[in-house]
Amino acid sequence: GAVVSQHPSWVICKSGTSVKIECRSLDFQATTMFWYRQFPKQSLMLMATSNEGSKATYEQGVEKDKFLINHASLTLSTLTVTSAHPEDSSFYICSARDYSDRAKETQYFGPGTRLLVL
Amino acid sequence: AQSVTQLDSHVSVSEGTPVLLRCNYSSSYSPSLFWYVQHPNKGLQLLLKYTSAATLVKGINGFEAEFKKSETSFHLTKPSAHMSDAAEYFCVVSVGGNKLVFGAGTILRVKS
Repeated sequence: GAVVSQHPSWVICKSGTSVKIECRSLDFQATTMFWYRQFPKQSLMLMATSNEGSKATYEQGVEKDKFLINHASLTLSTLTVTSAHPEDSSFYICSARDYSDRAKETQYFGPGTRLLVL
Repeated sequence: AQSVTQLDSHVSVSEGTPVLLRCNYSSSYSPSLFWYVQHPNKGLQLLLKYTSAATLVKGINGFEAEFKKSETSFHLTKPSAHMSDAAEYFCVVSVGGNKLVFGAGTILRVKS
């Protein structure tokens, strides 16, 4: 089946630094990838939609200058948390749609990246 | 706006007994609905999906869900729970533009 990987799986950083998280579709091409955030004991919340070769679309309330998204190829999207603060500590999850499977609407999820900002 | 409500935050069953995880949806048109499972420290896995074909949808690991328009429900069931089913389950609706809206989640505990 379709596999999505994320790197790193865990990251601890100091307040004020930037952190980059990678999301890769390993065996399929994804023109669209999604970034979610999950706080402890809460559900996933969509942050932004990442489109290959164009600007990301951010959900209401998500700061685009703080959460930089780049989708430079059909298999890679990156999320950079700039000037991270403790309140950015969360579980970040990406998903991807198979470009060749558009009719099925299935999203494949990565294993997530846990960010802890000290 | 489309949304889903998972009626139970926690469900506890004994191994070998049936599982019922309840989900109600709100949608102005015929929705696409999904159930995902999240095991600790693992990524979300698709269990099954409804996309306006058969109302009874069979998924992986013996799970199934029935789309009931009259009740706006999409409950997840399994005849016999296994210890490995212990996880968090999310009912999800597609809201167009490929966007998914997640329910709050139901944690399933399976007692031996």
